[in-house]
Amino acid sequence: DTAVSQTPKYLVTQMGNDKSIKCEQNLGHDTMYWYKQDSKKFLKIMFSYNNKELIINETVPNRFSPKSPDKAHLNLHINSLELGDSAVYFCASSLEGYCTFGSGTRLTVV
Amino acid sequence: AQSVTQLGSHVSVSEGALVLLRCNYSSSVPPYLFWYVQYPNQGLQLLLKYTTGATLVKGINGFEAEFKKSETSFHLTKPSAHMSDAAEYFCAVFPRGSNYKLTFGKGTLLTVNP
Repeated sequence: DTAVSQTPKYLVTQMGNDKSIKCEQNLGHDTMYWYKQDSKKFLKIMFSYNNKELIINETVPNRFSPKSPDKAHLNLHINSLELGDSAVYFCASSLEGYCTFGSGTRLTVV
Repeated sequence: AQSVTQLGSHVSVSEGALVLLRCNYSSSVPPYLFWYVQYPNQGLQLLLKYTTGATLVKGINGFEAEFKKSETSFHLTKPSAHMSDAAEYFCAVFPRGSNYKLTFGKGTLLTVNP
């Protein structure tokens, strides 16, 4: 069983579209994250949820909206996609900072 | 606020040579420290972590790191590089009792030459 699974693995879409990425963890962790990895491999935190509550929102455009229906799920919805949103998005869950990552979603906006 | 500096965005070694990847951190409270590895087109995998106790920690694939509080460092080493070690390596800091934020360095690309 995959500990942190996210779907889809690849996403190619046109500018202006709306898309969602789903994430689920079966580790029983209370904290989940979304990270964005740019073309230079830099990993930047976007959001953190603890027990379904938003804890961190790192100055991310409000086109990005996370949703956590329960503590095992953290989805990311992106409105009006822009070229600059192209990146790899990683979901993670953690226990005392030790993060387990999903395999990533490569988003390409054309 | 915490931060991580990885010295050298690219390190190149010969197969069998010592691997040394440098990481310095800043944190207002005692931190937990981590090294992650990312192979091409894959997610991040935990190599090793320091939480409390022994300052020399051993991880997977023969890697180890030493927490030096006085130098605010957590350098990663491996005595003998293998071709399969070629990957991107990330150091990360998590301040204890923090607002749940794991902060990464910018990464170091390790290449291993035959």
